[in-house]
Amino acid sequence: GAVVSQHPSRVICKSGTSVKIECRSLDFQATTMFWYRQFPKKSLMLMATSNEGSKATYEQGVEKDKFLINHASLTLSTLTVTSAHPEDSSFYICSACDLSGNTIYFGEGSWLTVV
Amino acid sequence: QKEVEQDPGPLSVPEGAIVSLNCTYSNSAFQYFMWYRQYSRKGPELLMYTYSSGNKEDGRFTAQVDKSSKYISLFIRDSQPSDSATYLCAMRRRSGNQFYFGTGTSLTVIP
Repeated sequence: GAVVSQHPSRVICKSGTSVKIECRSLDFQATTMFWYRQFPKKSLMLMATSNEGSKATYEQGVEKDKFLINHASLTLSTLTVTSAHPEDSSFYICSACDLSGNTIYFGEGSWLTVV
Repeated sequence: QKEVEQDPGPLSVPEGAIVSLNCTYSNSAFQYFMWYRQYSRKGPELLMYTYSSGNKEDGRFTAQVDKSSKYISLFIRDSQPSDSATYLCAMRRRSGNQFYFGTGTSLTVIP
């Protein structure tokens, strides 16, 4: 099946700093990628939809200036958490839509801890 | 009403049992249906993908879609402890790129 790689898998950063998470589709091109946040034992919460070459579409309640998303190529989308706070600590997951657009494949997820 | 409803469980079964996981949905426009398995602290993994109604089998897994009842199921035969995970259903319409997820069902298979 299609492979989506997410990096880093774990990151610890200090409050006030920024951290970038990368999401790459390794063996297919993805015009659309999605970013989710997941709290322990909770379902996926869609943060934004990222389309290659255009601005991301953010879900209601998600601060676009805090969670910067860039989708510069058909195989790479990045999420930058700016001025991180401890409450931003969470599991962040990306997914990529295959060219048929009919299904999505998830990355392995990134654990962010802000101290 | 949520677009997709899924019983969160938890569901606990003995090894070797047949497991039935289900989702209901309200939007008759959904055409593509997926099941994902998510192990603790990992990203979801695509298990099954079906289009429209019918059954699809892959090894111990069978996915069923009943569009008339707006109901989808995932059956796991001969369940194994390694099947212990959270199972998410997902679906989307023919057009657009929005996917709708169930909340996930937590499954534990006891050896």
